[in-house]
Amino acid sequence: GENVEQHPSTLSVQEGDSAVIKCTYSDSASNYFPWYKQELGKRPQLIIDIRSNVGEKKDQRIAVTLNKTAKHFSLHITETQPEDSAVYFCAARSGGSNYKLTFGKGTLLTVNP
Amino acid sequence: GAGVSQTPSNKVTEKGKYVELRCDPISGHTALYWYRQSLGQGPEFLIYFQGTGAADDSGLPNDRFFAVRPEGSVSTLKIQRTERGDSAVYLCASSPGLRTDTQYFGPGTRLTVL
Repeated sequence: GENVEQHPSTLSVQEGDSAVIKCTYSDSASNYFPWYKQELGKRPQLIIDIRSNVGEKKDQRIAVTLNKTAKHFSLHITETQPEDSAVYFCAARSGGSNYKLTFGKGTLLTVNP
Repeated sequence: GAGVSQTPSNKVTEKGKYVELRCDPISGHTALYWYRQSLGQGPEFLIYFQGTGAADDSGLPNDRFFAVRPEGSVSTLKIQRTERGDSAVYLCASSPGLRTDTQYFGPGTRLTVL
């Protein structure tokens, strides 16, 4: 089955700096890659996603890039703010299913004021 | 409209007991998923419903776990003879249906087995 690796496990940045979180996946048939933000004790919330026919997608301060050849995708957050502090999860949906998401282990992002 | 809701928010039980966890998906969503999230880990897939039927239960760890969705809306995850290793946050998600990618998560039920 699909395997998703996520790095780093923790990331600390100063307010205003950029943050980058990277994920790799194993199934070359995977076709959908969402990113979720989870604050302590709260539900995971989708922040951005990308499909395999697109190389990059941007939404205000957040962008995601996908390299299908290398089987990796990254989350980029620019001009970080303290409210960006949370755990971020990447996920991949295997091409063999229309539904099953395999998640990375998460990255704890801390934005210091 | 209302998002995915789950009850209870917290459940503490003793080893060997039976528990039921409930999920109310977003109205009209035909697809429903259960995931389990252990401390410091990402959610792990348990089971997927399309309508009333379990289309994929390959993530259920063993036969102590069972889930139903009798009317194609509310779902109940049932755990028999609970073990300490079952302690985790159980997350439910829903999506409008096939060919729709986004899964919307509920707040989860934190299960603690003493």
